[in-house]
Amino acid sequence: EPEVTQTPSHQVTQMGQEVILRCVPISNHLYFYWYRQILGQKVEFLVSFYNNEISEKSEIFDDQFSVERPDGSNFTLKIRSTKLEDSAMYFCASGRSESLGEQYFGPGTRLTVT
Amino acid sequence: DAKTTQPTSMDCAEGRAANLPCNHSTISGNEYVYWYRQIHSQGPQYIIHGLKNNETNEMASLIITEDRKSSTLILPHATLRDTAVYYCIVRVTGSARQLTFGSGTQLTVLP
Repeated sequence: EPEVTQTPSHQVTQMGQEVILRCVPISNHLYFYWYRQILGQKVEFLVSFYNNEISEKSEIFDDQFSVERPDGSNFTLKIRSTKLEDSAMYFCASGRSESLGEQYFGPGTRLTVT
Repeated sequence: DAKTTQPTSMDCAEGRAANLPCNHSTISGNEYVYWYRQIHSQGPQYIIHGLKNNETNEMASLIITEDRKSSTLILPHATLRDTAVYYCIVRVTGSARQLTFGSGTQLTVLP
């Protein structure tokens, strides 16, 4: 069964550094998403992406964040200058079609900012 | 998206049916009910969704009341691997929209 994959599984970085989290969505999916979950808290939406542009973004997704689909398979989340409060699990998800609406999540990348 | 209310936690004996309730009294006509679960900090997993008819798939059944103000997710024969946080989410489909996760119900399947 096709799955969303994410790399790395754990990333440790120093405050102020740039990080890129990578995702390979399910191959025939057209809708892509990033969510995050701070330890012990709810899963929070960051951004959705369709047709090579951002469809929707939350207040969390400020100028420090960007997303890109550099080729036909990868979907990346970049944080330009990490802060301590960016430490969280970051989940990528993909969806097949607008009408069906379900999203399939990857295993997550644990980002630790020191 | 309409607000949902779920119990904080539930227990279920292994092999028995787990019935997880969700209230969504402010649901509007074009909003679907989605269920996801999250097993111990893994990525959320899609389970099932429906509009007004009952739905069943290989994982679970979804029963939506006639007035659509509440629903129940049924895991027919719960196993220890079903221990997870279960989220009931109401949202409009037909758009690339976000899922808004609440606190969910922590289901613990007991041996």
